[in-house]
Amino acid sequence: GAVVSQHPSRVICKSGTSVKIECRSLDFQATTMFWYRQFPKQSLMLMATSNEGSKATYEQGVEKDKFLINHASLTLSTLTVTSAHPEDSSFYICSARDRLSGYTFGSGTRLTVV
Amino acid sequence: QQQVKQSPQSLIVQKGGISIINCAYENTAFDYFPWYQQFPGKGPALLIAIRPDVSEKKEGRFTISFNKSAKQFSLHIMDSQPGDSATYFCAASKSTGGFKTIFGAGTRLFVKA
Repeated sequence: GAVVSQHPSRVICKSGTSVKIECRSLDFQATTMFWYRQFPKQSLMLMATSNEGSKATYEQGVEKDKFLINHASLTLSTLTVTSAHPEDSSFYICSARDRLSGYTFGSGTRLTVV
Repeated sequence: QQQVKQSPQSLIVQKGGISIINCAYENTAFDYFPWYQQFPGKGPALLIAIRPDVSEKKEGRFTISFNKSAKQFSLHIMDSQPGDSATYFCAASKSTGGFKTIFGAGTRLFVKA
C-alpha cells in the first residue's frame, strides 16, 4: 500500500529556534498533503492543506507565519515551526492522498520545545 | 455541517467480545468514510473504509455498517483482542477535489484479557 514517510519522529529544540518536519510520499505522487496537530488524548486538528507548487491553505486560527509549509515537489512537503515556544510542543502528523488507499498518514513527529 | 460526532469516548470490552463505535455526520457531500486506528506515539493507520453506495463492508474481524438515510456509520470489531486496544477515529471526506478529512473525536478502546 501507499507509504508516507515523516521525519524526524522526535525532536527536542530550544525555545526560539526553528524546526523543520518532512513528509514524503514514497511510492506515489501527492499534489495535496495535509498537516495535522494532535494534543494528548485528543483528535487530529487540521492545520493546513499543502498544495504542490502553490501556497498552502491554512485553517482558521493557524498562524501561517509561524507554521511555514512548502510543497516544492509531488513527493515532499515540509512544515517549519518558526521561533518555537513551549506551547508549540505537540504531535504533528502529515497525510497524503493516493488514489487507491485514500488518505495515508505519516508516523508523526513529537515536538518538544524546552 | 463539517462535524463528525463519535461515541463513545472510551470503551472497555472483554476479550472475545464485540466492540462497537458509532459516528454521525451532517454534510451529505461526504462520500468516503474511513476508520483509523492509532497507537500511542504513532500516526493513524487506515483500518477500513466505506463509500455510501454500500450498507456494509467487512474485512476480517472489522465491519463497517453504513446508514445513509440516518447519516450514521459504525465500526464493529468482532472477537476483540487485547492487541486491538488503541484509539479509533472515524472520519469523513469527499473523495474528489482534495476535500479535507474531518475526524471524529476518537474512542479509546481497551480490551481486557
